[in-house]
Amino acid sequence: GENVEQHPSTLSVQEGDSAVIKCTYSDSASNYFPWYKQELGKGPQLIIDIRSNVGEKKDQRIAVTLNKTAKHFSLHITETQPEDSAVYFCAATRGAGTSYGKLTFGQGTILTVHP
Amino acid sequence: KAGVTQTPRYLIKTRGQQVTLSCSPISGHRSVSWYQQTPGQGLQFLFEYFSETQRNKGNFPGRFSGRQFSNSRSEMNVSTLELGDSALYLCASSAGQFEKLFFGSGTQLSVL
Repeated sequence: GENVEQHPSTLSVQEGDSAVIKCTYSDSASNYFPWYKQELGKGPQLIIDIRSNVGEKKDQRIAVTLNKTAKHFSLHITETQPEDSAVYFCAATRGAGTSYGKLTFGQGTILTVHP
Repeated sequence: KAGVTQTPRYLIKTRGQQVTLSCSPISGHRSVSWYQQTPGQGLQFLFEYFSETQRNKGNFPGRFSGRQFSNSRSEMNVSTLELGDSALYLCASSAGQFEKLFFGSGTQLSVL
């Protein structure tokens, strides 16, 4: 089955710096890659997603890049703010033959933004 | 629009008991998925329902089961609880098979 590796497990940055989280996946048929942010006591919140026919997607301070050949994708957060502090999860699914409801998640990255 | 609603928020049970968790998806969403989240194993897929039918199933024992009703609301049941079943159980819904997945806040289950 699909396996998703996420790095780093913890990331500490100063306010205003950029943060990058990287994930690799094993199933070459995977074609949908969402990113979730989870704050304490809450469920994961979808922050951005990308499909395999797109190499990069941006939404204000957040961007995701996908390299299908290398089977890895990354989350980039620019101009970090203390409210960006949370646990971030990457996920992948092949979609075809299944659905986007069945996601394989990475182990998570604890991001801390220091004021 | 209200988000995914899960009840109860917290639950304490003892080994051997059974438990039922409830989930109301976002209005108009017909697909519901369930996940287990633990510090050791992370987020793991349990099962997915669409139009009252199980569409996908994860690698969990048969003690874990679920169902979906005609109004898209879903329940999951865990029988003969074990200590290792202590976890945050998350429900998520989507508008369709290849649509974004939105999570609820979860039910925190503690098995003593």
